[in-house]
Amino acid sequence: KAGVTQTPRYLIKTRGQQVTLSCSPISGHRSVSWYQQTPGQGLQFLFEYFSETQRNKGNFPGRFSGRQFSNSRSEMNVSTLELGDSALYLCASSIGRTNEKLFFGSGTQLSVL
Amino acid sequence: GESVGLHLPTLSVQEGDNSIINCAYSNSASDYFIWYKQESGKGPQFIIDIRSNMDKRQGQRVTVLLNKTVKHLSLQIAATQPGDSAVYFCAENIRVRGNTGKLIFGQGTTLQVKP
Repeated sequence: KAGVTQTPRYLIKTRGQQVTLSCSPISGHRSVSWYQQTPGQGLQFLFEYFSETQRNKGNFPGRFSGRQFSNSRSEMNVSTLELGDSALYLCASSIGRTNEKLFFGSGTQLSVL
Repeated sequence: GESVGLHLPTLSVQEGDNSIINCAYSNSASDYFIWYKQESGKGPQFIIDIRSNMDKRQGQRVTVLLNKTVKHLSLQIAATQPGDSAVYFCAENIRVRGNTGKLIFGQGTTLQVKP
């Protein structure tokens, strides 16, 4: 069974631009969560989607948004990028019940210059 | 507040010894706990989980202990191997409403295995 797939693996953007990251969950998994990982703040929860609906949201500004498609694939978008948005963005999927046995992808490393 | 903390940022052990990684959590409402292992350049890898109605769970070479009285979680790795070298995170699920929750991660402990 293929794992969680995230694309692209690396991304370099400049301040003010926007970016879209993609995540394909494990087949059969309906819940997709996004996390931001930085050396200073560690792993922080962004949001979670289940059956195309945002089920939970972390404490991030409105510049961070996401969506989930009918095939459970998910995208997250960050608009008006800031230097502090440089981070590893991780996607995780689970079968259904929130946060149980979350499986993570390798992440997208975003650098904002 | 919501926080999950680890007692030591780095743990160094000899190959073959047992490792114990500790974690303190603050939210009494947390109902589920997970340990993850993260190697350089990879996402966190699920190791073992435990529900709040249990105090011990065993996997292959790993054991998780939960002490709700003092809000303490530990991961024990038996016969530590060089491949166990990684950063280990504990996480707690804080139930928000219904069947939803937020997963709060600790800062991580780096395990170094000396040959």
